Amino acid sequence: NAGVTQTPKFQVLKTGQSMTLQCAQDMNHNSMYWYRQDPGMGLRLIYYSASEGTTDKGEVPNGYNVSRLNKREFSLRLESAAPSQTSVYFCASTTNRESAVNEQFFGPGTRLTVL
Amino acid sequence: GDSVTQMEGPVTLSEEAFLTINCTYTATGYPSLFWYVQYPGEGLQLLLKATKADDKGSNKGFEATYRKETTSFHLEKGSVQVSDSAVYFCALRPYNNDMRFGAGTRLTVKP
Repeated sequence: NAGVTQTPKFQVLKTGQSMTLQCAQDMNHNSMYWYRQDPGMGLRLIYYSASEGTTDKGEVPNGYNVSRLNKREFSLRLESAAPSQTSVYFCASTTNRESAVNEQFFGPGTRLTVL
Repeated sequence: GDSVTQMEGPVTLSEEAFLTINCTYTATGYPSLFWYVQYPGEGLQLLLKATKADDKGSNKGFEATYRKETTSFHLEKGSVQVSDSAVYFCALRPYNNDMRFGAGTRLTVKP
């Protein structure tokens, strides 16, 4: 099992450019998440997908869109990148959002710099 | 709302020293509690968890006990190694809701 995979690992964008971050999991998990990690702020939830076909906003959704393409894949899109979106982005998955006992599994992250 | 507060870092220890990283939480109901570890350049990995009061999670010499009376889940290790250098995140997960993460505590262990 590869677990949770993310592409790309690194990306540099200019202000106003768009890009899509890809995430896939092979653990047959129902729920998937996108977080951003900024120094001193822990992880903040951008969007989540409780199950295939559903997506919902998290704590910091502005400037982002998501697509749950199928059960395995959950992508994050920046339509017009801004320097404030410079961050490390993590995708995560878990069996079911409703079950509090299950941990989340994380991908290796995408380090994004917006100039 | 539900939240986690953990000890600010950075923490610097000598090898074989005792480690404590404090974590307290605010939550309604009975959340599960987690410690994650992040090594440089990597994603978060689950270190240990506890799903109900008085449970003790343990892994790789690390321990944490779910204390409902003090709303705490402090991480401890009796003898740290250089390889334990990482960032440690405390997190809680309420029922039918999403993970809440602390800000992280950077640990550096010197030989």
